[in-house]
Amino acid sequence: QQQVKQSPQSLIVQKGGISIINCAYENTAFDYFPWYQQFPGKGPALLIAIRPDVSEKKEGRFTISFNKSAKQFSLHIMDSQPGDSATYFCAATISGGYNKLIFGAGTRLAVHP
Amino acid sequence: NAGVTQTPKFQVLKTGQSMTLQCAQDMNHNSMYWYRQDPGMGLRLIYYSASEGTTDKGEVPNGYNVSRLNKREFSLRLESAAPSQTSVYFCASSVQQQMNTEAFFGQGTRLTVV
Repeated sequence: QQQVKQSPQSLIVQKGGISIINCAYENTAFDYFPWYQQFPGKGPALLIAIRPDVSEKKEGRFTISFNKSAKQFSLHIMDSQPGDSATYFCAATISGGYNKLIFGAGTRLAVHP
Repeated sequence: NAGVTQTPKFQVLKTGQSMTLQCAQDMNHNSMYWYRQDPGMGLRLIYYSASEGTTDKGEVPNGYNVSRLNKREFSLRLESAAPSQTSVYFCASSVQQQMNTEAFFGQGTRLTVV
């Protein structure tokens, strides 16, 4: 049973376009939703995260939108650049629950020049 | 700034062989984790250690054992490797504070079992 479902599996965007990745979760006890970025041959690294008391969080070109009632959250990358080409993972966890991250399956993003 | 260091980076094993994956962190983090990454499945938690001296099972613990040797080191052992354990293994650590839950990952160990 996949607790965090992520889509699409892969995404191709032109430079300057908007990349959108969606995730849905099952467990209403989750209260911390990070996005991790992974480049080939590297480990994942935290990109941006949100807690369910806000509906949106923005850091530079990266924005998380959160819909608590629908149990969905999404990552928007504005003005996508070739350097954004990577695999993106959404995740969820329960604060104080030993930070056991439950990951989505990942989205491979390719930004073409 | 080493962060989380994993050794080895690559390994090929024959079915039935054993090996230990090593992980060390220099950030004084309480919690450490082992994940495996497989295509189309994201990262799945194998074992975790909330603090020195404690370990617990994650989502996919079968076929693995772990040891939290001290606060810095957390090793993962495959006693009898199987082809299904071919994967990329990541170690991670975190501070484990209520409002600070960022996990830092190592660069991974690519394991192939033939």
